[in-house]
Amino acid sequence: SQQGEEDPQALSIQEGENATMNCSYKTSINNLQWYRQNSGRGLVHLILIRSNEREKHSGRLRVTLDTSKKSSSLLITASRAADTASYFCATDETYNTDKLIFGTGTRLQVFP
Amino acid sequence: DVKVTQSSRYLVKRTGEKVFLECVQDMDHENMFWYRQDPGLGLRLIYFSYDVKMKEKGDIPEGYSVSREKKERFSLILESASTNQTSMYLCASSLVTWRGLPRLSSYEQYFGPGTRLTVT
Repeated sequence: SQQGEEDPQALSIQEGENATMNCSYKTSINNLQWYRQNSGRGLVHLILIRSNEREKHSGRLRVTLDTSKKSSSLLITASRAADTASYFCATDETYNTDKLIFGTGTRLQVFP
Repeated sequence: DVKVTQSSRYLVKRTGEKVFLECVQDMDHENMFWYRQDPGLGLRLIYFSYDVKMKEKGDIPEGYSVSREKKERFSLILESASTNQTSMYLCASSLVTWRGLPRLSSYEQYFGPGTRLTVT
């Protein structure tokens, strides 16, 4: 079952600009995570936000969570060419927080 | 650093062959997962294991089986490979949530580099 849907599917920006990706999900969650995937590689965890949190920061990353709208956003500030990757949100199952359900991803291209 | 390794980066097999994909993690994680990733469909969970010899079906278990004889190793088996199993296969591991976290918290998953399997 697919839980998260990222929007947009693809995003192209210039270095130095900010990139915003959105994730919507369908059922109630305990936690939401964001992952990055460089082309043809495995995923790398970026940040986790709990359902009782509204905003979280990690370096140039800012994640927001709106449980009333069942949505989250990932903002990357001052983007770099090295940020070029696909970004996925992942939510846990209501009664099993060990299992994650991944969205379809946003493909970000940052041009130097 | 957690390391999750997968036995092959690229694999080409013929229809009907039995295929083994191996995954090993070195951080004593209880949970291990097998996903397949296809364009436009994201990651879909095939099987999940929370302990040695324990397994749970994910969203798309048909045509696959798994084996977890040792804590660090989780194998995905395609009993009779078919062309619709051509995909990127990703293995992941994580600590189990009852290990020291508040209730309803999650741990991050650590992923291997992936195996791109082509079945011809």
